[in-house]
Amino acid sequence: QVQLVQSGAEVRKPGSSVKIVCTASGGTLSDSTISWVRQAPGQGLEWVGQINALFGSTKYAQRFEGRLTLRTDASTSDMYLSGLRSDDTAVYYCARAGYCSGTNCYWPGFDIWGQGTLVTVSS
Amino acid sequence: DIQLTQSPSFLSASVGDRVTITCRASHDISSFLAWYQQKPGQAPSLLIYAASTLQSGVPSRFSGSGSGTDFTLTISSLQPEDFATYYCQQLNSYPRTFGQGTKVDIK
Repeated sequence: QVQLVQSGAEVRKPGSSVKIVCTASGGTLSDSTISWVRQAPGQGLEWVGQINALFGSTKYAQRFEGRLTLRTDASTSDMYLSGLRSDDTAVYYCARAGYCSGTNCYWPGFDIWGQGTLVTVSS
Repeated sequence: DIQLTQSPSFLSASVGDRVTITCRASHDISSFLAWYQQKPGQAPSLLIYAASTLQSGVPSRFSGSGSGTDFTLTISSLQPEDFATYYCQQLNSYPRTFGQGTKVDIK
């Protein structure tokens, strides 16, 4: 079964950008929808956005519109966030939000997660 | 946006207890609800999807019910490994919102 492996922790200054890579191990992302979720220190889960690899379509949470770009290919999915602020400090997770097999597609919740990437934004 | 409100936010229970967590949606979401468990330092793990379908590999002591706006996650007999934080999530519309979480602690 596919596993998701994320790139390592990042430290950035306010106003800069960060890219996080989510790599599929043991499978492909070409038939998947990948969502990104973040969790600020001691806080709950916040959905950031998603990309459908089959159609190349994206959905972004409104608060990230204009700052967030998601890309994907058969083996990796990238999240690029610009204009970083201190309140963007969080662990960012990629997760499989759906997949297709043959002509059928399934949306069983977020069933596979990456290990998380800590992004620290500090001057 | 659809708001999800979990209750309680915190509960203290003993091994063997029956535990119930509720999730209320601000709008009708049919059965498009999932439940996750998260332990400290770990990514969330899917327990239940489509409100009541148990994810493969999840113990049968976990169950989910509900539709529309009111949902429940039940742990029939709490085990030591179940002490964690639980989140509901709606998959009916975008953005895919989460409840604020329920932390289950040891009494």
